[in-house]
Amino acid sequence: GAVVSQHPSWVICKSGTSVKIECRSLDFQATTMFWYRQFPKQSLMLMATSNEGSKATYEQGVEKDKFLINHASLTLSTLTVTSAHPEDSSFYICSARGGGGGQPQHFGDGTRLSIL
Amino acid sequence: RKEVEQDPGPFNVPEGATVAFNCTYSNSASQSFFWYRQDCRKEPKLLMSVYSSGNEDGRFTAQLNRASQYISLLIRDSKLSDSATYLCVVAVLGGYQKVTFGIGTKLQVIP
Repeated sequence: GAVVSQHPSWVICKSGTSVKIECRSLDFQATTMFWYRQFPKQSLMLMATSNEGSKATYEQGVEKDKFLINHASLTLSTLTVTSAHPEDSSFYICSARGGGGGQPQHFGDGTRLSIL
Repeated sequence: RKEVEQDPGPFNVPEGATVAFNCTYSNSASQSFFWYRQDCRKEPKLLMSVYSSGNEDGRFTAQLNRASQYISLLIRDSKLSDSATYLCVVAVLGGYQKVTFGIGTKLQVIP
């Protein structure tokens, strides 16, 4: 149980392109979804937390106009990296949690984004 | 002081050895604790939750020490497949829920 699917797993695109990443909870309802970024050999960095039907809460230093998050249903959240640049190249991972904060997060496979 | 601190390692241990990691947290209001495992270039996977009374799952034992504000993970009879980075996760519940990941401890099990 607790499967989270993330798509696409790998994206290579030109600078200036906008990229959309989907995160789906397949067998549970995710009241909260999280988006993380991880650079090589570094820890996960939380970008934003989203609850279904409400606006995402962004961490300090994360531009909400650059990283658009939509959590339209209990099973789907999307992250759009707008006008991506090479410095946005990273490993983006979503996680989903059903229930309250005492429940563990379950992670998607991650999306490796490379901007040329 | 970081909210969640882990020794990044690497811990290089021979197969069959017992190895333990600690993770300290600074927020005394923390209520939920987890250990995740992350393989290179992969997503983190939940290894186990950490309960107040301590819990065991096969070769893995997790402990919580609220007084000293740390959690531990013990791996017995290490296997080559245990080589990974182990992430400590601490959650503060209530009106504002905050989940914090440690930087992770890298374990390398050597033949």
